[in-house]
Amino acid sequence: QITLKESGPTLVKPTQTLTLTCNLSGFSLTTVGVGVGWIRQPPGKALEWLGIIYWNGDQRYSPSLRSRLTITMDTSKNHVVLTVTNVDPVDTATYFCAHRPSSWYTLDYWGQGTLVTVSS
Amino acid sequence: QSALTQPASVSGSPGQSITISCTGTSSDVGGYNYVSWYQQHPGKAPKLIIYDVYKRPSGLSNRFSGSKSGNTASLTISGLQAEDEADYYCSSYTSSITSNWVFGGGTKLTVL
Repeated sequence: QITLKESGPTLVKPTQTLTLTCNLSGFSLTTVGVGVGWIRQPPGKALEWLGIIYWNGDQRYSPSLRSRLTITMDTSKNHVVLTVTNVDPVDTATYFCAHRPSSWYTLDYWGQGTLVTVSS
Repeated sequence: QSALTQPASVSGSPGQSITISCTGTSSDVGGYNYVSWYQQHPGKAPKLIIYDVYKRPSGLSNRFSGSKSGNTASLTISGLQAEDEADYYCSSYTSSITSNWVFGGGTKLTVL
């Protein structure tokens, strides 16, 4: 059974760096074609695509946030890490990670999400 | 890239059918048969209900169906039920070299 779970700080100060971890279970990020994406949702607003990392280490990012985002993976720990630099209150959101299966262009399993508030 | 365009809200009575549209460009919706739809109840994570324009994940009700014409994809829910009341988001693969996915702005479905 595939599960993902996000973890990290609930409160971050403006200008700091936010680091979130997505712990994976039930699949391996070494499987060809598999990816793990990050999506966020500000309170009361729409989903926003952030980026994805694939089994081969290839990364893709939202053009509007590309300069501030980094996604890495640690296959030995079976987790993926999202880093957001120089955060601002507008980065306050629930952050989700999701599984991209090897055969489909979609995100079929999602984590429960973690709410991060940016405030001084 | 810009988000895909969805109506802010739709509504319908129990038993009726509704359709939600999702409009993009030839670089995303129109260029690939990789449109997905997600259902999100308040406080919950999104749930995949349609992928590759019209395919349903195993076990999902056939009351949900998807289609596409040109740069516009559509989600139809037939036989509306109270539990269908939720937010619905479309998403598409995109040919942007810097990104792979784009989401719609979401549609709030109200079951009257």
